[in-house]
Amino acid sequence: AQSVTQLGSHVSVSEGALVLLRCNYSSSVPPYLFWYVQYPNQGLQLLLKYTSAATLVKGINGFEAEFKKSETSFHLTKPSAHMSDAAEYFCAVSNSGGYQKVTFGIGTKLQVIP
Amino acid sequence: NAGVTQTPKFQVLKTGQSMTLQCAQDMNHNSMYWYRQDPGMGLRLIYYSASEGTTDKGEVPNGYNVSRLNKREFSLRLESAAPSQTSVYFCASSQMDRVGNEQFFGPGTRLTVL
Repeated sequence: AQSVTQLGSHVSVSEGALVLLRCNYSSSVPPYLFWYVQYPNQGLQLLLKYTSAATLVKGINGFEAEFKKSETSFHLTKPSAHMSDAAEYFCAVSNSGGYQKVTFGIGTKLQVIP
Repeated sequence: NAGVTQTPKFQVLKTGQSMTLQCAQDMNHNSMYWYRQDPGMGLRLIYYSASEGTTDKGEVPNGYNVSRLNKREFSLRLESAAPSQTSVYFCASSQMDRVGNEQFFGPGTRLTVL
């Protein structure tokens, strides 16, 4: 069984401040982990993914995430928030079997305050 | 490349009416998915098709049917719509030859059942 828990359904940060969105996972096998972003009235698009090649993963728009096995975490960070980062962010976990079943978290809405 | 396209973008139905949501992808992906997105619940998998000619139930299949018409197209049918099916529906596709591949999402269909 696999699952992800996103801590905080809403996060507010000031423009220029650090963005930290938390994600913890549960998986019985080595996981593949993803962060997706959804802008208003759009579908989801991939920010970054962890597939065991490196524990620190860099994605688009200055975001990065670090895989910590000991903490079963995959938190998303960005050093300096921009107004355009306001969106909903989803953490997701995939199994390592033949069929790629992906389980999504409930999402975290990021508000950026000018 | 259009990626993943969905029609219609918006739909209002009365209880008991039927409709089909259409999805097509032009990336030659093997796998296709239907999700629903509800506030506070993230994305939940309705049905998926691992490859052309196969379909399987996901987490919330009741009240829905699917057809994998060919490699490009994957439709979702509501036979008798209910207010509980008011949601935003997303179609996605991915290539299954490597685990850990991302899913590509369409723009969504916003469905209201009165």
